Amino acid sequence: QSALTQPASVSGSPGQSITISCTGTSSDVGGYNYVSWYQQHPGKAPKLMIYDVSNRPSGVSNRFSGSKSGNTASLTISGLQAEDEADYYCSSYTSSSRVFGGGTKLTVL
Amino acid sequence: QVQLQESGPGLVKPSETLSLTCTVSGGSISSYYWSWIRQPAGKGLEWIGRIYTSGSTNYNPSLKSRVTMSVDTSKNQFSLKLSSVTAADTAVYYCAREVEYDFCMDVWGQGTTVTVSS
Repeated sequence: QSALTQPASVSGSPGQSITISCTGTSSDVGGYNYVSWYQQHPGKAPKLMIYDVSNRPSGVSNRFSGSKSGNTASLTISGLQAEDEADYYCSSYTSSSRVFGGGTKLTVL
Repeated sequence: QVQLQESGPGLVKPSETLSLTCTVSGGSISSYYWSWIRQPAGKGLEWIGRIYTSGSTNYNPSLKSRVTMSVDTSKNQFSLKLSSVTAADTAVYYCAREVEYDFCMDVWGQGTTVTVSS
């Protein structure tokens, strides 16, 4: 199983919106509605931000939203804030296993 | 609130077996899946596998031949063994709780660094 493809970096100014893509195949992202997104600040454990493509766990800001089209999932962060600066990873279920994306570094300018 | 804590040796010699334990506090270990994920320094996350409290397991195909997971419900702990380690297994190892039927990890430990070196 190959890692999902994410852009290495994205950036945006406070208040703007950004979107991070996550491209897989019909065997993972495209085949199941089990895409999740994690936020990781330096030296910290990942935090679940989105599950089942577009659901937010309790306590996660509604500025975070997820979607999927075909083999590509997307995470959108609206109203960017300084504390959103972090690494973001997508993950998908695949054939009794899990696969992660390579990660995207979000810089808030 | 459920909390997870990894423990185990921070240094393992090449060709030996890496052994880690995750202790679950603030809740029962029963009726959940429990996962291990690792992250080499400066790199992305890699799912190692998961175990249910019944002992049923699923492993990453790329690591399956070297991985063994176990669970001890009496101690609220689950464990990871990775055999025949090399420098490529040097990473931060996280334990996490997996949400059944959603296949996502909603509670994570803080992570423990394991270095493979002689």
